[in-house]
Amino acid sequence: QVQLQESGPGLVKPSETLSLTCTVSGASVSSGTYYWCWIRQPPGKGLEWIGYVYHTGSTNYNPSLKSRVTMSIDTSKNQFSLKLNSVTAADTAVYYCVRRSGITPNWFDPWGQGSLVTVSS
Amino acid sequence: AIQMTQSPSSLSASVGDRVTITCRASQGIKNDLGWYQQKPGKAPKLLIYGASSLQSGVPSRFSGSGSGTDFTLTISSLQPEDSATYYCLQDYNYPLTFGGGTKVEIK
Repeated sequence: QVQLQESGPGLVKPSETLSLTCTVSGASVSSGTYYWCWIRQPPGKGLEWIGYVYHTGSTNYNPSLKSRVTMSIDTSKNQFSLKLNSVTAADTAVYYCVRRSGITPNWFDPWGQGSLVTVSS
Repeated sequence: AIQMTQSPSSLSASVGDRVTITCRASQGIKNDLGWYQQKPGKAPKLLIYGASSLQSGVPSRFSGSGSGTDFTLTISSLQPEDSATYYCLQDYNYPLTFGGGTKVEIK
């Protein structure tokens, strides 16, 4: 059974960097079959795709966040990570790490349980 | 970016009712669309991928249809446990985009 688990600080100050790690069990992030994604959801609002990192380290980011986002992958730890810099209150959200299939038709499954990150001083 | 317009934004129906949720893409996306169910305080769950393929373990009362720009999620006989918010997601090109969500309540 594949499981994803987010970890990181729940509170980040404005202008600082949000950092989250997703630990994967039951599957290998080294697999070329999948993309490893981040999706977020502000409280009471809808879902926003942030981007993905592939096992090679290649990435694709949402243009709305591209200037502030960095994703990376650590195959030795079977983890992938998200960094979002210069955060504001608008970045307060539940952040999900998700596995995405690499072969059409694509799907997102499973999802991590989500990590609430609040941006506040 | 492709805009995904979901309707209705909310609905209330009785147990046993047939429920239909639609998603319209601002441009053609072939059949690169998925449907996700989210219950309060939980992560979304995959229901349908490729517009009409049922994810393993998902009850057969859920079905998806459509291609191009217009898509439908149907719950053939609404059950109490189907109370949730449903999202469509286009996976045709980047950035991937979600519909605004449909909240389904049980009368």
